[in-house]
Amino acid sequence: NAGVTQTPKFRVLKTGQSMTLLCAQDMNHEYMYWYRQDPGMGLRLIHYSVGEGTTAKGEVPDGYNVSRLKKQNFLLGLESAAPSQTSVYFCASSYGGQGLDTQYFGPGTRLTVL
Amino acid sequence: DAKTTQPNSMESNEEEPVHLPCNHSTISGTDYIHWYRQLPSQGPEYVIHGLTSNVNNRMASLAIAEDRKSSTLILHRATLRDAAVYYCILRANTGANSKLTFGKGITLSVRP
Repeated sequence: NAGVTQTPKFRVLKTGQSMTLLCAQDMNHEYMYWYRQDPGMGLRLIHYSVGEGTTAKGEVPDGYNVSRLKKQNFLLGLESAAPSQTSVYFCASSYGGQGLDTQYFGPGTRLTVL
Repeated sequence: DAKTTQPNSMESNEEEPVHLPCNHSTISGTDYIHWYRQLPSQGPEYVIHGLTSNVNNRMASLAIAEDRKSSTLILHRATLRDAAVYYCILRANTGANSKLTFGKGITLSVRP
């Protein structure tokens, strides 16, 4: 049982380049989330999904797009990377989205945009 | 979501108990109190959560004040591996899309 995995672990982009971060979970969870964490800060929610084929905006969605074509995968795309998107990105999943549900996090992707 | 207030940092000695405080004076009756921790260079991991009663699990204990305006995460015997940022988070139980909002947390250092 791998839990939540993220690909890649590290990436360096030039301004204007595009890339896709992949999140996969093997726990049959309905909910999936993408967060970003800047130095010395807590995590901020970018986008989330409440089930296959659904996506919704979080706190800081600008500059990102997401897709949930399969229940186990949640993709985060950067169409035109900017230095302000330099951050560590975490994916998470949970069985449900209610107050008592637990989120399980991946190990993170460290992205640098030059 | 109601906010939480935590000290910025705390130090403890290895093998001694640690009490990490959290204030949440504006908590509502349906808010769950969650604790997550983040070890260096890792993603956050769930520690414990509770609603009204004190809770225990293999990682920690959660003591909730009778008025629910504060809570304390208790690590019974700190180890070096417990050095991490600990986040106290209130999560509303009012619907299917309850947010998990992270603040800056409290940084716990453990001395050998």
